[in-house]
Amino acid sequence: QKEVEQNSGPLSVPEGAIASLNCTYSDRGSQSFFWYRQYSGKSPELIMSIYSNGDKEDGRFTAQLNKASQYVSLLIRDSQPSDSATYLCAVNRRRRALTFGSGTRLQVQP
Amino acid sequence: GAVVSQHPSWVICKSGTSVKIECRSLDFQATTMFWYRQFPKQSLMLMATSNEGSKATYEQGVEKDKFLINHASLTLSTLTVTSAHPEDSSFYICSARGAGTTTDTQYFGPGTRLTVL
Repeated sequence: QKEVEQNSGPLSVPEGAIASLNCTYSDRGSQSFFWYRQYSGKSPELIMSIYSNGDKEDGRFTAQLNKASQYVSLLIRDSQPSDSATYLCAVNRRRRALTFGSGTRLQVQP
Repeated sequence: GAVVSQHPSWVICKSGTSVKIECRSLDFQATTMFWYRQFPKQSLMLMATSNEGSKATYEQGVEKDKFLINHASLTLSTLTVTSAHPEDSSFYICSARGAGTTTDTQYFGPGTRLTVL
């Protein structure tokens, strides 16, 4: 079992729709959770971090965390073609290196 | 804030030569830096973790004598790929974490694309 699992996609949504990206993790001791966006040929860019159960909103992005289910998600509202990228879920125990999932490729169709 | 730079952004070298990649935190002190490698269409793989002033901790399967890491200051870490071979061609990305950044958040440099002929 991989430590962090994501559906590789591609996830295709029409412009203006809500994109829902999911991630599960195996280490119950994980304390920090992150979503990064990576465009092709570029390095990851931090979108959001979340540390406690529930929802956290930042602009068009909402991260959701459920530690009991070991589940993290990212919602992107009003998806734009510029959101087309690979989205990486990352988790870690305190002060350790991040463990990344393999990423979900999102395609937003104009 | 929390800007990380890498140099060079790309490098092409002949097989058998050594290549040094620099990673700098520009506006914060990075107590810990991480080096990742990413092959095409694959996820990031952690190579090593370096703490300022101490030896790097390498992940299983990463040759410490081939990938030399130095973290001599709170703003600079270097990765030297020694005797590079074509199979070392990859996208090398550093990230930094430390005082002045959100706890546990890692900020990534723009990456260095290495091509070994």
